[in-house]
Order: sequence, then structure tokens, then C-alpha cells
Amino acid sequence: AIQLTQSPSSLSASVGDRVTITCRASQGISRSLAWYQQKPGKAPNLLIYDASSVKSGVPSRFSGSGSGTDFSLTISSLQPEDFVTYYCQHFNSYPLTFGGGTKVEIK
Amino acid sequence: QVHLQESGPGLVKPSETLSLTCTIFGYSINSDYYWGWLRQPPGQGLEWVGTIFHTGTTYYNPSLNSRVTVSIDSSKVQFSLKVTSVTAADTAVYFCARKAARSGAFDLWGQGAMVTVSS
Repeated sequence: AIQLTQSPSSLSASVGDRVTITCRASQGISRSLAWYQQKPGKAPNLLIYDASSVKSGVPSRFSGSGSGTDFSLTISSLQPEDFVTYYCQHFNSYPLTFGGGTKVEIK
Repeated sequence: QVHLQESGPGLVKPSETLSLTCTIFGYSINSDYYWGWLRQPPGQGLEWVGTIFHTGTTYYNPSLNSRVTVSIDSSKVQFSLKVTSVTAADTAVYFCARKAARSGAFDLWGQGAMVTVSS
């Protein structure tokens, strides 16, 4: 199975900061990667698919990039509602796997 | 508006079978999407469990050691999950979700159902 390593596992930032979360795949997955946001007690919400395509309705401060083995999610200006947990997920082949998650906390 | 709703027992005894159903509101199963189950143990990350296509083709996480079955109801508005021989390690919030056929991302999720394995 393809392993996804997310880093950092947690980070502290302030409102208005620009933050980047990375996701590294154990083998090349082309652009078959998605990013999700999960608020406490809620289901994950899709933000980005195909590595860089933003889902309709997702704020423009969220962007994704990368291909092959290295990917990133960038939030250009953190808003109060963004201090939650983020996951990457590959869909290059079965089994589908997720990264371990990144918790974004208020500094 | 399309939405998903999980239902089933919240408590299952060890060695028994966990059964959950996902009801699809506002849509019926067809060739546009795959339908899947994922889970999240308390305080932990997400794990994909299994996925089914409208043809009945299924894909399962090998880490569950063939204990999983996903099926589509003949009504085409429900799909189900069964996990046999459960242990405490199967305690989790179980989500049903939709995945576009051309993409691997899960773009619509149910609210989740907490299932506890305990005697």
C-alpha cells in the first residue's frame, strides 16, 4: 500500500498567516491526491482534488500543488475557522490511504 | 439536495458482526459515482474501509483481513457495510461517502455513526 506522510503533524499560527502543509507519497501517484478539512465532531470536507483543483464553494485562500510524490496544501491567510485538522488522501490505486493529519492551532 | 445518512447499532459485542446502512437522499446509485465506507477511531486519523460501484464491483482494505462486505440494496438508495468478528480495535466513527467515478476524492460524506465494540 502507498504510504502518505504528512508534515508537520501540528503547527501553531496566527490569524492572517500563510501556512503550508506537505504530503509525501511512498511512490509516485501522478496527481491523484485530495485534501480534506475536518472540524471536531464532523465529517471531513473535501477542499482539493486532483492535487490542485479546488472544489466549488471552497474559499480561494486554499490551494494545492504538486505531482508525483510531493504535494502541498497552502492556506494563504488563515481565518479563525481554519484552525482545525487537515488530511491528504491518495487515489492512485487501491487500497486508498490517508496521511496522518495536520492539526492547525492558534498561536 | 443530496445527502447521506448512516444508521445502525451503536454498540456491538466482541466477535459479533457490525452492520451499518447508508441511505442516500436525493439521488440513486448509478454509474456516476462509487459509494464507500471509511472510519475514524476516537482521537485518530481516517481509514478507508471499502467501496462499491453500481455494478456491484467492490474494493476492500486488505488490513481488515477479509472481514468486510459492502453491498447495494435493490432499492438503489441504500448501501450497507458488514464487519465480522469485531474487536475493540473496530470501535470508531463510521462514515459513508460518495466518490466520483472519474476521481478518487470523496466529495460528499454522511455525518458519521459512532460504533463501540464492547461486552
